[in-house]
Amino acid sequence: QSVLTQPPSASGTPGQRVTISCSGSSSNIGSNYVYWYQQLPGTAPKLLIYRNNQRPSGVPDRFSGSKSGTSASLAISGLRSEDEADYYCAAWDDSLSGREVFGGGTKLTVL
Amino acid sequence: QVQLQESGPGLVKPSQTLSLTCTVSGGSISSGSYYWSWIRQPAGKGLEWIGRIYTSGSTNYNPSLKSRVTISVDTSKNQFSLKLSSVTAADTAVYYCARAVTGYDSSGYYNWFDPWGQGTLVTVSS
Repeated sequence: QSVLTQPPSASGTPGQRVTISCSGSSSNIGSNYVYWYQQLPGTAPKLLIYRNNQRPSGVPDRFSGSKSGTSASLAISGLRSEDEADYYCAAWDDSLSGREVFGGGTKLTVL
Repeated sequence: QVQLQESGPGLVKPSQTLSLTCTVSGGSISSGSYYWSWIRQPAGKGLEWIGRIYTSGSTNYNPSLKSRVTISVDTSKNQFSLKLSSVTAADTAVYYCARAVTGYDSSGYYNWFDPWGQGTLVTVSS
């Protein structure tokens, strides 16, 4: 049971806009930054969004993040076949002496 | 650019101690204000944070694993290590090491992982 809640799956067709939600609580998303990681099949996760809405260099501006209260979302516009991957949200949780917590992951399928 | 590489036995017997090392290349493990972290992922499942260490030796562990985890750092070798004791089949997973950019500002605490190692599969079985 993950501390952050994500839908297990999402899908879209090429060119579409897709959003993935991430729900938490006041001790994590509500009081700290949110990050998003992309995990392509058979590879290690890669940082996609940091500090709620910042993109590392090299990440296309088709990817955007937002946060409101205790929830966050990742939006992917102009969907491409290479975006098919697992996406994880994460945040620091202030409870239990502090720990990093992740969402259960969302499998994005490009139809 | 900094790269991380995990190494260690791929098979560990139940009740024994899992030991992994992460070697950092392309930069000094002591430079910058980074935490060095371990994260694991059982097959087909999500990510679980195990813990982290600062180069001063300060550590933080996931409360769910704290009683069994030890993370240490060897700055002379540019490495940090994970030991997980009394393992069971539930500890079978791909183990990743990662660098964490960590800090605090008016909007909250930040702790993102970049880069990650490629991961190493550890199977707990007799």
